[in-house]
Amino acid sequence: SQELEQSPQSLIVQEGKNLTINCTSSKTLYGLYWYKQKYGEGLIFLMMLQKGGEEKSHEKITAKLDEKKQQSSLHITASQPSHAGIYLCGADIQGAQKLVFGQGTRLTINP
Amino acid sequence: DTGVSQDPRHKITKRGQNVTFRCDPISEHNRLYWYRQTLGQGPEFLTYFQNEAQLEKSRLLSDRFSAERPKGSFSTLEIQRTEQGDSAMYLCASSFGVMAGPGQGKNIQYFGAGTRLSVL
Repeated sequence: SQELEQSPQSLIVQEGKNLTINCTSSKTLYGLYWYKQKYGEGLIFLMMLQKGGEEKSHEKITAKLDEKKQQSSLHITASQPSHAGIYLCGADIQGAQKLVFGQGTRLTINP
Repeated sequence: DTGVSQDPRHKITKRGQNVTFRCDPISEHNRLYWYRQTLGQGPEFLTYFQNEAQLEKSRLLSDRFSAERPKGSFSTLEIQRTEQGDSAMYLCASSFGVMAGPGQGKNIQYFGAGTRLSVL
């Protein structure tokens, strides 16, 4: 079973639309990291959240951490073709140094 | 460019052969991680180093896998007697971390472009 569940697994949206990706942990989150990956390439760090209720934004991407629910969401406003890719949440679940990742959400933006 | 560098980007090998991958971390980073990613899945942790010490190894890392980080700089991951099930993307990441309690301090990991291994 996955310690981190992402939903949806894939998402197709029209350019200009808003969208949300969710990441839920079965264990206490000590740190939640969002990454973006283009097919066949490495992961690009987007944002890190540590405290319950924390919210961070970068350009049109906003991430929130609901510590009580052990859940994080990534919201993209007015999506653009450059947002297409695979979004991965990673978490420091055990207070250890390694990250556990969700299975990823594949985002496609249609013009 | 001072990001994490991995070499080679692609490796095709025959079953039973040995392969070695190299990772050069961001220069001031003391931690180095290896992950494996298969199609449609998120990366899975393999092992990590703090400086030259290998501090943790996953159960995924069978006896055929060995990793080193001599002098706390670059790292190599070797797979002996490769099997078709070893086909995957091997990702390296580095970070600057300090020993702290759970939830304390940042440990942002920066990833390389990966080495894609195909075992025929």
